[in-house]
Amino acid sequence: EAGVAQSPRYKIIEKRQSVAFWCNPISGHATLYWYQQILGQGPKLLIQFQNNGVVDDSQLPKDRFSAERLKGVDSTLKIQPAKLEDSAVYLCASSLDGARANYGYTFGSGTRLTVV
Amino acid sequence: RKEVEQDPGPFNVPEGATVAFNCTYSNSASQSFFWYRQDCRKEPKLLMSVYSSGNEDGRFTAQLNRASQYISLLIRDSKLSDSATYLCVVRNTGRRALTFGSGTRLQVQP
Repeated sequence: EAGVAQSPRYKIIEKRQSVAFWCNPISGHATLYWYQQILGQGPKLLIQFQNNGVVDDSQLPKDRFSAERLKGVDSTLKIQPAKLEDSAVYLCASSLDGARANYGYTFGSGTRLTVV
Repeated sequence: RKEVEQDPGPFNVPEGATVAFNCTYSNSASQSFFWYRQDCRKEPKLLMSVYSSGNEDGRFTAQLNRASQYISLLIRDSKLSDSATYLCVVRNTGRRALTFGSGTRLQVQP
């Protein structure tokens, strides 16, 4: 089974520039999540999609961050304009519907963003 | 107050030692509990789920105390390959998203 695919792996940008990250979840996983992991911290949920609808974006800084999942499959997370404090690893995860305890929750390898 | 709190460590232990990590959670609506392992510069991966009755997977034992809102992980006979960050994770009732603690770093030394 192919895993969660993310690109790019690394990105270095200057503050005030924009950046976009891409995620392709495991086939058949209806739910997709974007997490931000700052060095020394655990992952923090930014946004959750169920198919192509937003379920939870309460922790997404909407003045600069946006995300979409137009066809209910792959997703893009954008930051515009970037700030120094956005330097982090951006992790995408996907999971199944159903009653399993962990719903087959799987993370991608992440995109490491450095804002200089 | 953070929803999931862990001692950040690091825990430096010799090979063969037994080490225990603790975690507390603040939301009484938390329904499901997990320990994840994260290696340096890698994504988190599920180590084990945690059940009320306690559960064991080889050298790893997890326990849950709902009354105290406390989760533990015990690693016996530590191996060098156990060196990683261990993340305490909860899921609240009605939500599918996971909430992560900041992690406890373990370094097993030869």
